[in-house]
Amino acid sequence: DTQMTQSPSSLSASVGDRVTITCRASQGITNYLAWYQQKPGKVPELLIFAASTLQSGVPSRFSGSGSGTDFTLTITSLQPEDVATYYCQKYNSAPPTFGPGTKVDLK
Amino acid sequence: EVQLVESGGGVVRPGGSLRLSCTVSGIGIDDHGMSWVRQVPGKGLEWVSGINWSGNSRYYADSVKGRFTISRDNAKKSLYLQMNSLRTEDTAVYHCARVARPLAVAENDYWGQGTLVTVSS
Repeated sequence: DTQMTQSPSSLSASVGDRVTITCRASQGITNYLAWYQQKPGKVPELLIFAASTLQSGVPSRFSGSGSGTDFTLTITSLQPEDVATYYCQKYNSAPPTFGPGTKVDLK
Repeated sequence: EVQLVESGGGVVRPGGSLRLSCTVSGIGIDDHGMSWVRQVPGKGLEWVSGINWSGNSRYYADSVKGRFTISRDNAKKSLYLQMNSLRTEDTAVYHCARVARPLAVAENDYWGQGTLVTVSS
């Protein structure tokens, strides 16, 4: 099975900062990658699918890029409501494995 | 309002069984796959099982294969997970989630709040 890793595991940033999270697949997955945001005490919400397509309603400060094995989620200007754990998920084939998550909080 | 409401969780002894249900309202599921995803409180997400729109394609995580069975009833807009031979490591909140496509495996666009399953002697 394809393994998913994320870095960093956690980060602290200030409001307005640019934040980048990396997700790596142990095998190529073309662009079958999704990003989710899970705020404390809430269920996950889909942010991005197909590596770079923004889900409807998601603020444009979120963006995704990458293909093959290396992917990034970027928040161009961190807002207080972006405090959350972010997960990547590959879905080119079963099992659709999640990454271990990256916790983002405010400095 | 979109709602995915899970039920059927509870406390069960190791080796026991539970049947989880998920009822969906506010969105269609006929043309969508469905998933079960679990999460130990404070930990990460673990995909458990997925089923395609018609029910004739099903997948399971290795950790539950042979013990769990996923099924669906589109007329009732419902998803199920029969969980047998439960182990302490199955303890988690179980979320149902709609797959954005007719496939059993793809991104999940709507999630339920989850039902807690505790396996303990």
